[in-house]
Amino acid sequence: ETGVTQSPTHLIKTRGQQVTLRCSSQSGHNTVSWYQQALGQGPQFIFQYYREEENGRGNFPPRFSGLQFPNYSSELNVNALELDDSALYLCASSGRGSKNTQYFGPGTRLTVL
Amino acid sequence: GIQVEQSPPDLILQEGANSTLRCNFSDSVNNLQWFHQNPWGQLINLFYIPSGTKQNGRLSATTVATERYSLLYISSSQTTDSGVYFCAVGGIRNTGNQFYFGTGTSLTVIP
Repeated sequence: ETGVTQSPTHLIKTRGQQVTLRCSSQSGHNTVSWYQQALGQGPQFIFQYYREEENGRGNFPPRFSGLQFPNYSSELNVNALELDDSALYLCASSGRGSKNTQYFGPGTRLTVL
Repeated sequence: GIQVEQSPPDLILQEGANSTLRCNFSDSVNNLQWFHQNPWGQLINLFYIPSGTKQNGRLSATTVATERYSLLYISSSQTTDSGVYFCAVGGIRNTGNQFYFGTGTSLTVIP
């Protein structure tokens, strides 16, 4: 059974640029959730995807968008990067439904200069 | 929205000591997990425990759902236990599948 993987590990961008982060879910899981973790804080829910459709969204602007593919892997896209977007981005995979255990990937650390 | 509060925010222990971490939440939940975040940022699952008590080696957890709190016990602490411990809750009515994290307890175990 493979775990959750994310790429890239680290990324440096400049303000105004766009970025795409990738996540492969754990085998057997059909739901992927994305979180943003700023330094010294707990992760904040961005959105969740189930069967290629957005299935819940946190308090993030529309410039944060995502995709889920038929193999349940997922992308997080952020447009018009701002300095405050610098954070650790985590993805979690699970079965569908709120009672399922979420398993997290190692994260992508994004720095916006 | 739901409030998830963890205490204490910081904890320093001598190796071999025991500790109790607490998580209070402000609404009924049907999912509660405890995680350990290592220095590289990886969140490691410790327990899925929306109610009841579980044990795994030196760690155990108890959730009293009716009173909206959960406790994580660490016994005979080791330096490898250092890191940040988060509780996270989900399955709250009218919030879909959002998962809410507390602000964490930063644990340092010194030899």
